[in-house]
Amino acid sequence: KAGVTQTPRYLIKTRGQQVTLSCSPISGHRSVSWYQQTPGQGLQFLFEYFSETQRNKGNFPGRFSGRQFSNSRSEMNVSTLELGDSALYLCASRRGGETGELFFGEGSRLTVL
Amino acid sequence: QKEVEQNSGPLSVPEGAIASLNCTYSDRVSQSFFWYRQYSGKSPELIMSIYSNGDKEDGRFTAQLNKASQYVSLLIRDSQPSDSATYLCAVNTGGRGSTLGRLYFGRGTQLTVWP
Repeated sequence: KAGVTQTPRYLIKTRGQQVTLSCSPISGHRSVSWYQQTPGQGLQFLFEYFSETQRNKGNFPGRFSGRQFSNSRSEMNVSTLELGDSALYLCASRRGGETGELFFGEGSRLTVL
Repeated sequence: QKEVEQNSGPLSVPEGAIASLNCTYSDRVSQSFFWYRQYSGKSPELIMSIYSNGDKEDGRFTAQLNKASQYVSLLIRDSQPSDSATYLCAVNTGGRGSTLGRLYFGRGTQLTVWP
């Protein structure tokens, strides 16, 4: 059974640019969450999507956005990148309705120069 | 403000010993509790989930939950060098069947098991 797949795995951007990250959840999982992980702040919740609807949002500025498609795949976008956005962005999926267990992908490591 | 606190570590134990990792949480309505293991440079990997008070055992791992004390712990028996990683405690306010909610993570405890 394939796990959560995230692309790209690594990327380098410059300040002011935007970035789009993609996530394919485990087959059958309908809920996708995004987290940011930095050494200083740890794992911080960005948002959660279920059935193409955003169900939860963390305390991040509006530059961070996301969406989910009908096949449960999800994308997140960060506009007007800042140096502080350098982080590991983790996507996680869960079945929804059965268990709260969250399974993470390998992450997308973003470096902003 | 939902907070999850873990003993800061780092924790160092010899091979074969029991490693004890602790976590407290602030939100009394929390229902679901998880332990993740994260190796350096890798993503978090779920190793245990627990929903009811008491102990839950899975191989060398035992999770303990005490909702009255708002405390959850992870014991690793017969620790191996391959157990060396950061262990993250996570809490969810949704119940077992919840489709909503988010995980609140502690900052993690770094465990080193030396041969």
